Amino acid sequence: AQKVTQAQTEISVVEKEDVTLDCVYETRDTTYYLFWYKQPPSGELVFLIRRNSFDEQNEISGRYSWNFQKSTSSFNFTITASQVVDSAVYFCALETSGSRLTFGEGTQLTVNP
Amino acid sequence: DAMVIQNPRYQVTQFGKPVTLSCSQTLNHNVMYWYQQKSSQAPKLLFHYYDKDFNNEADTPDNFQSRRPNTSFCFLDIRSPGLGDAAMYLCATSRDKLYFGPGTRLTVL
Repeated sequence: AQKVTQAQTEISVVEKEDVTLDCVYETRDTTYYLFWYKQPPSGELVFLIRRNSFDEQNEISGRYSWNFQKSTSSFNFTITASQVVDSAVYFCALETSGSRLTFGEGTQLTVNP
Repeated sequence: DAMVIQNPRYQVTQFGKPVTLSCSQTLNHNVMYWYQQKSSQAPKLLFHYYDKDFNNEADTPDNFQSRRPNTSFCFLDIRSPGLGDAAMYLCATSRDKLYFGPGTRLTVL
């Protein structure tokens, strides 16, 4: 069975602080994909990143960076110099065989001015 | 340009009154999904289509049905909505990642 755990239910930071959102996953599949999605108050799920299980290189995109560690089954997401517009719910998700995507419970990030 | 379109964005229905939510896509993707998301919870997969191949999740209530008449359109039918079915319903298509529509927020009175 597949499972995604986001242990942090809510995080609150002050603007310009760095913040890391944790994601731990479980799967027996050797081929899988990991995702992060952002859900602002409007409700639409916005794709942020997709990473396959064979690519453990860390990735940076502007203020966003992702750390994939297969040894600890983690795929953490860091926002550098956070901004108020980063306030949203962030979901980590796991896709395994059969195109099924399993979401974590989400982390509500609030960035205060 | 919108790629996954959901109509309506907000739907109000009465307890027990059938309701249909619609989704269309301009991406020509083979796979389409319906997710249910209740307040402060993760999206939960209800079913998905690979072309016309229908795949129902084991815990999707019988009250929920789906139709996919062609590649572009997919419908979610709730035969007898209960108060517990009030949620955001998200449609998505897939190639290398899921493309989500804006969702339909369903209220059941």
